[in-house]
Amino acid sequence: DAKTTQPTSMDCAEGRAANLPCNHSTISGNEYVYWYRQIHSQGPQYIIHGLKNNETNEMASLIITEDRKSSTLILPHATLRDTAVYYCIVRALNSGNTPLVFGKGTRLSVIA
Amino acid sequence: DAGITQSPRHKVTETGTPVTLRCHQTENHRYMYWYRQDPGHGLRLIHYSYGVKDTDKGEVSDGYSVSRSKTEDFLLTLESATSSQTSVYFCAISEFRGLQEGYTFGSGTRLTVV
Repeated sequence: DAKTTQPTSMDCAEGRAANLPCNHSTISGNEYVYWYRQIHSQGPQYIIHGLKNNETNEMASLIITEDRKSSTLILPHATLRDTAVYYCIVRALNSGNTPLVFGKGTRLSVIA
Repeated sequence: DAGITQSPRHKVTETGTPVTLRCHQTENHRYMYWYRQDPGHGLRLIHYSYGVKDTDKGEVSDGYSVSRSKTEDFLLTLESATSSQTSVYFCAISEFRGLQEGYTFGSGTRLTVV
C-alpha cells in the first residue's frame, strides 16, 4: 500500500544540509511519520518519528507540515557516511501487530 | 546491531535442501520479524511474531515457516529451498512502550540457493 511518496534519488554536497521530502496526503489522525535509513548491505536503522510537531534528535530533524500531508527529513551537515536509502513510513503508534511496510525510499548520494 | 544477531551470515545451499536461519535477541522484545530484500523489490515481510508461539504471515510467506519457542529466538525455515529464495534476509525486533518505538534490525543473512 503506497501510503507515502518519495523521490527515487537525490544528491547532496558533503557538509550541506540534505532535505528529503515525503508526501503522505492520506495520513490518518493517529498515524505517525517514521524515517529509517539503510546503508549499503546493512539492516535498516531507525532515525526519527513524529506526529505533528517538529522533532529533532542527534541524527536528524523532522519537519511536518501543519496539515500533516507532507514532511521533510533534514540531515543538517551531510557526510559521506549518510549515503543510504531513506524510507518514510506512516503507521499508528504502538501498532505492534501491524509490521513496518517499506516502500522504495529515496537513495541519497552525498558527494565530496 | 547490539542485542540482535543473525546466523549464519552467509550460506550457500542446493535446491531442494532444508535451510534454517536463526535470529537471536537479548533485548527481551516481544515482536520479531523476518524480511527479505531483493533488487527492485525492497524489503518485504515474510513472517512475524508477537509473542512466544504467536506468529503471523507477511506478504511473501509462501515457502517459508517460522517458529518461536522462546522469547529470544525466532527461526525461519525454508523447507525445500528454491533459487527464487536466493536473497538477503533481515531479522528485526521491536517493543512498544508509550512513545518509545523503533525497530532494530540485524546485520542480515545472505542466502544463495544453487
